[in-house]
Amino acid sequence: QVQLQQSGAELAKPGSSVKISCKASGYTFTSYYMSWIKQTTGQGLEYIGFINTESGGANYNEKFKGKATLTVDKSSSTAFMQLSSLTPDDSAVYYCARGINYWGQGVMVTVSS
Amino acid sequence: DIQMTQSPSLLSVSVGDRVTLNCKASQNIYKNLAWYQEKLGEAPKLLIYNANTLQTGIPSRFSGTGSGADFTLTISSLQPEDVATYFCQQYYSGSWTFGGGTKLELK
Repeated sequence: QVQLQQSGAELAKPGSSVKISCKASGYTFTSYYMSWIKQTTGQGLEYIGFINTESGGANYNEKFKGKATLTVDKSSSTAFMQLSSLTPDDSAVYYCARGINYWGQGVMVTVSS
Repeated sequence: DIQMTQSPSLLSVSVGDRVTLNCKASQNIYKNLAWYQEKLGEAPKLLIYNANTLQTGIPSRFSGTGSGADFTLTISSLQPEDVATYFCQQYYSGSWTFGGGTKLELK
């Protein structure tokens, strides 16, 4: 069955970066784009962007350009999202999603000094 | 971006109630709408896609209607396990957007 297993919670300092992962199983990884979503109590759900898992080409929501970088490792069927220059506003739960019907379990990122 | 507006944001309900949740898009999204259920600490669960198609394994008490810009999720007879937050999502545009959610609470 399709599974998206995300990496564990992150505690990061302001100004630093984090890289979270999303390991896919149960399907052909390169046949589906991978999307990423941010969830906060204040802003709700926000779409970060998606990556073409075959070509590695990514498309970003304007708001997250320069903040998020999406990559993939086809050999391990894993998608990654790096968040840079972290601020407390980046504290959130981040989900990967294959289409609309398969979501990872989410990764909580906390940015605090 | 397409804006998605849900109403109400909070709804007090009782077991057995017929519950109706609303979602409005800022433009025509045809039937490119999904409904999700979210419980604390869990990933969102897809209930309905294409505005009215029930996802496999979802109880038939859930149903979706609408097209264009106005959509509705109905729970025909609320069960205790349905107390959760529900949100809609448009996927008409390449940049998904989500409603703010409707939280159900028991009276």
